[in-house]
Amino acid sequence: GEDVEQSLFLSVREGDSSVINCTYTDSSSTYLYWYKQEPGAGLQLLTYIFSNMDMKQDQRLTVLLNKKDKHLSLRIADTQTGDSAIYFCAVDTGRRALTFGSGTRLQVQP
Amino acid sequence: GAGVSQSPSNKVTEKGKDVELRCDPISGHTALYWYRQSLGQGLEFLIYFQGNSAPDKSGLPSDRFSAERTGGSVSTLTIQRTQQEDSAVYLCASSEPGQGIDEQFFGPGTRLTVL
Repeated sequence: GEDVEQSLFLSVREGDSSVINCTYTDSSSTYLYWYKQEPGAGLQLLTYIFSNMDMKQDQRLTVLLNKKDKHLSLRIADTQTGDSAIYFCAVDTGRRALTFGSGTRLQVQP
Repeated sequence: GAGVSQSPSNKVTEKGKDVELRCDPISGHTALYWYRQSLGQGLEFLIYFQGNSAPDKSGLPSDRFSAERTGGSVSTLTIQRTQQEDSAVYLCASSEPGQGIDEQFFGPGTRLTVL
């Protein structure tokens, strides 16, 4: 089945850029997603990218997709303490349920 | 409007007991999903309902797990004879599939602890 991998932890200083990486195995995914989970809250869709794109920018967020290497990344510019959360990479697999990575905990230090 | 709600928010039970977890999806959403999030793990797909179609149960880990969705709205996930490895956060999501992206809206989850 589909496998989605992420590093578990990332620590940055406030104002720096954060880059969260994800690799996946199924090349047939149509959409690839980034979800954010804040403490005590449910997951929220942060951004997504269509598989025929290689980059998508949305304000401070930049998503890069390398289909050849099956690598997805999320860059957060000017990281703020409010960005501290767990970030999940997710891919669709042809059925509607998503396959999620294990999540990357982003810690932003003042 | 109201988001996805789940109840209870926390459930502590003894090994061997049955539990029921409830999910109220966003009104009008035809798709409903159950996932399980174990400590330090990603979300594990359990079951998916879409309209009146037969549910996709391929993620249920054992026959102790079952789920129903009544009237195309509220869903109940039942775990029979709970085991300690069932301890996790159970997340429900709903969506309205259409063309293009199918955004899933998640509830806050039910934290299940099996002693």
